[in-house]
Amino acid sequence: EAGVAQSPRYKIIEKRQSVAFWCNPISGHATLYWYQQILGQGPKLLIQFQNNGVVDDSQLPKDRFSAERLKGVDSTLKIQPAKLEDSAVYLCASSSGGLANEQYFGPGTRLTVT
Amino acid sequence: DQQVKQNSPSLSVQEGRISILNCDYTNSMFDYFLWYKKYPAEGPTFLISISSIKDKNEDGRFTVFLNKSAKHLSLHIVPSQPGDSAVYFCAAGVGGAQKLVFGQGTRLTINP
Repeated sequence: EAGVAQSPRYKIIEKRQSVAFWCNPISGHATLYWYQQILGQGPKLLIQFQNNGVVDDSQLPKDRFSAERLKGVDSTLKIQPAKLEDSAVYLCASSSGGLANEQYFGPGTRLTVT
Repeated sequence: DQQVKQNSPSLSVQEGRISILNCDYTNSMFDYFLWYKKYPAEGPTFLISISSIKDKNEDGRFTVFLNKSAKHLSLHIVPSQPGDSAVYFCAAGVGGAQKLVFGQGTRLTINP
């Protein structure tokens, strides 16, 4: 079974530029998550999708971050414009959605904003 | 507000000995707890979980203990092996594993 795929793996941009990350979850997983992991901290949930609907985006900085999951499968996370403090690893995870079903993570995209 | 805390940023243990990683939480609504393991340049991988109706769960060399009155959980690895060297994250959820809050992580180093 293929795992969660993410691209790109690394991205370096200047502040005020825009960037987009892509995630392909495990086949059949209805729930998809985007996390931000700043160096030395644990992953912090940005947004949770159930199929193509948003379940929770309370911690998403909506003035600059946006995410979509149009067909209930792949998802993209966009930052526009980027700030220095957005430097982090962006992790995508998916789960089959049951209460006790653990989340499976992709390898992440390491973003550096200069 | 750090709802899940791992107060030890790092831990060094000799191969073959027991590794004990600790985690504290503040939200009494949490009812599901998980441990994840993370190698460099990889995403976290699920290790073991425990529901709040239990106080212990075992899977091979890994055991998780939950003390609800103290709002504390721990992960025991016995015996520790070099491949266990990684960052370990504790995570907690309300209503299961759907929405998780993660601790800051503990870097475990197993010395030969």
